[in-house]
Amino acid sequence: QQQVKQSPQSLIVQKGGISIINCAYENTAFDYFPWYQQFPGKGPALLIAIRPDVSEKKEGRFTISFNKSAKQFSLHIMDSQPGDSATYFCAASTQSGSARQLTFGSGTQLTVLP
Amino acid sequence: DAGITQSPRYKITETGRQVTLMCHQTWSHSYMFWYRQDLGHGLRLIYYSAAADITDKGEVPDGYVVSRSKTENFPLTLESATRSQTSVYFCASRADTQYFGPGTRLTVL
Repeated sequence: QQQVKQSPQSLIVQKGGISIINCAYENTAFDYFPWYQQFPGKGPALLIAIRPDVSEKKEGRFTISFNKSAKQFSLHIMDSQPGDSATYFCAASTQSGSARQLTFGSGTQLTVLP
Repeated sequence: DAGITQSPRYKITETGRQVTLMCHQTWSHSYMFWYRQDLGHGLRLIYYSAAADITDKGEVPDGYVVSRSKTENFPLTLESATRSQTSVYFCASRADTQYFGPGTRLTVL
């Protein structure tokens, strides 16, 4: 049961371009939406996260846009650089006790061409 | 080094053998997690632990066993490995923002 659907599966962008990755969720109990970045041979690392009480969050070149009514959120990478080439995972979570259980999207492999 | 480590980083085994993947964290986080990563599936939770001696199943627990006798260690055991358990396994810690280890690539022949 895939509760978080991520697209596209792969993305190729020219240096300086905008990379956009989209996610959609079903469970309205989700209340925290992080994005993870993973380089080859490494574990995922938190990139940026948003809560549903705001529609946008920006950190440097990375922006999350959130549409609560549509149950969709997206990651925008402005001025994409070759160093941004990685796999990106969206996730959604709910509080379970004192822990957050993450449900991940299937991942997007981003390639930024020099 | 501080952080979360996994061992071995690579493992090849045969069907039916028992395999244990180790995870160690130096932060003393209460919560620890095991995920498997497969192409097209993202990361799926296998088991998690809220504290020493407290563990619970995740999305895909079948065929796996965990234990947590010490806060800093959270081993994952495949009691009788199957080919479908060929995957990359990640350990993570901390309850809110999860920190991931470098992963163990397991191949079951």
